[in-house]
Formats: sequence, C-alpha cells, structure tokens
Amino acid sequence: GAGVSQSPSNKVTEKGKDVELRCDPISGHTALYWYRQSLGQGLEFLIYFQGNSAPDKSGLPSDRFSAERTGGSVSTLTIQRTQQEDSAVYLCASSRTKRMSPLHFGNGTRLTVT
Amino acid sequence: GQQLNQSPQSMFIQEGEDVSMNCTSSSIFNTWLWYKQDPGEGPVLLIALYKAGELTSNGRLTAQFGITRKDSFLNISASIPSDVGIYFCAGFQGGSEKLVFGKGTKLTVNP
Repeated sequence: GAGVSQSPSNKVTEKGKDVELRCDPISGHTALYWYRQSLGQGLEFLIYFQGNSAPDKSGLPSDRFSAERTGGSVSTLTIQRTQQEDSAVYLCASSRTKRMSPLHFGNGTRLTVT
Repeated sequence: GQQLNQSPQSMFIQEGEDVSMNCTSSSIFNTWLWYKQDPGEGPVLLIALYKAGELTSNGRLTAQFGITRKDSFLNISASIPSDVGIYFCAGFQGGSEKLVFGKGTKLTVNP
C-alpha cells in the first residue's frame, strides 16, 4: 500500500503556540518512530512505539514534547508552547514487527516557529 | 552514548567517478543501514546489512558490514547526476530498537 504519510507538510506557528503533527504509518507496520532533523543536520531520535508496549520516550528534548499512538496506527506528536529552537523537520518512520527491521520514512513536516 | 562518525562530511566529484564513504563507531552494531535523502523528502533505504563481513550490492551501490561490527562503508560506482543528495549511515546497537544515524555525507556530482 501507500508509504508513511505525514501532515501537514509545512507548518508555520507563532512562538508560544501549541502544534500537532500527524503520522500515518504503513499498514501492518507495528513500530513507529519520530525523529527531528535540524537544517543540515542528521536525524535526532525522539520517541519509539512498538505495538502495545510502553513507548521509548528517551529522546524527547523537554516536557513540552509528547506523542501518542492511537489504536496501534496513527500517531500524533504534540509540541506545547513552541520555541524558535523547535524549528526543524519532524520525520516519522514505521517498520515491521521483526526486530531491527529497516525504517521507512515519510517526507516530514517542516515546522517554522516565528 | 551511541555515536556514528560518518565521513566525509561532503564530496564534490565529476560524473563517472567512483565514490566511497564510511561510518565508524566505538560500539558494536548489529545492523547497518544506508539511506539517501533528497531535498524536501524523507530518507530512502538503499542497503541493509545484517551480518559482520556481509557485502551487499544494489545496482551501482555496494556496502559492507565491517568484520569488527564497528564500521561500514558505501561505494557508488560510475556516479551520475541523480546520485546527488545526502547519504546517511544508521545502525541498531545491541538490543536497542533505537536507530542511530550518522550526520550524513553530502554528495555533489558535476556533469
């Protein structure tokens, strides 16, 4: 079926506002990841969901960041009280159940905080 | 923490030349992956390596999983303009399901 879908593709918000970023993983993929990519940089791990297990939140940079995954499928990354340093591309990826399966990425949401 | 050192940071080559880039770590990795990212898009998987010493090809691309499990390289033969982009190495370490990325190699191909 279709690949990983992310929305919106671009988001401009004012400092202090909350934003929600959405990810639809590949159908049948049980693992879902969020990464952040700042301009010209590598990918920074944020959070990982696998099935019904507790998520690995070890990469979330502050308590302003949170994510949930409903019904084992769609995920939402929420950033509260956005700051200018939150400006980046937020990438979502999914993978099969088998451990250490390659990740398949969406095209990301480019977030600009003014 | 987990770190992948990727080099070179950037490369400028002529069309037709071969390219080599590599990733090293002080830690052992169980899986190595190579991705390519075009502007405005997410990374796309090129090659996956699962066993130490494994050598895998995908068209003009060849990648190897180092025998020490602490390094990997990617070669591109006879480069063409569409090879332009950023190449990332990535790996799974030990029992972790967290995929760690290198900082990328930006490739420019001059026609």
